[in-house]
Amino acid sequence: DTGVSQDPRHKITKRGQNVTFRCDPISEHNRLYWYRQTLGQGPEFLTYFQNEAQLEKSRLLSDRFSAERPKGSFSTLEIQRTEQGDSAMYLCASSLGALGTNEKLFFGSGTQLSVL
Amino acid sequence: KQEVTQIPAALSVPEGENLVLNCSFTDSAIYNLQWFRQDPGKGLTSLLLIQSSQREQTSGRLNASLDKSSGRSTLYIAASQPGDSATYLCAPVTDKLIFGTGTRLQVFP
Repeated sequence: DTGVSQDPRHKITKRGQNVTFRCDPISEHNRLYWYRQTLGQGPEFLTYFQNEAQLEKSRLLSDRFSAERPKGSFSTLEIQRTEQGDSAMYLCASSLGALGTNEKLFFGSGTQLSVL
Repeated sequence: KQEVTQIPAALSVPEGENLVLNCSFTDSAIYNLQWFRQDPGKGLTSLLLIQSSQREQTSGRLNASLDKSSGRSTLYIAASQPGDSATYLCAPVTDKLIFGTGTRLQVFP
């Protein structure tokens, strides 16, 4: 069990460019979540998957954002035409199953995005 | 819509003090509540999970209580140490976690 892995750790891009982040959840974890965190704030929910199915998307996830989990294992989060307001830490998390009474969520170290 | 508030927003204390961090939430229809620790620039580390049917959960010097009906949880840290310095986040859980803005704790020697 190597934990939740995110790549890259840091990404610097120019406004208008597209970026893609990758998340590898803990092996056999069915649920995968994406959160965004800006400085001084708590993480904000973006979207989550049950295997390959995207079950919920936050209103924060504008049409420039797309997330996929094609084979129910790793996931990618793509941001098109980046804006300076997209600068944030993007966190991925996974859980074995649905967040019921005793299910914990495990977080990766995040991808820090800076849009210049 | 679930809203989570954490008080105080920041706390600076000398080593050895016993601390109380408060969390309140608006929707009590939760499965459980989790407390996390976050070091600067890092991801979140799970500290404690309290099931909705439980009142308390303990791990070492940490004790968390939950009053689901009133929408409150409290994290107690006993005999604080400089290594406890971090941001502490609470998150009530339904099908996802909704986070508060956290309490930034600094414990100085």
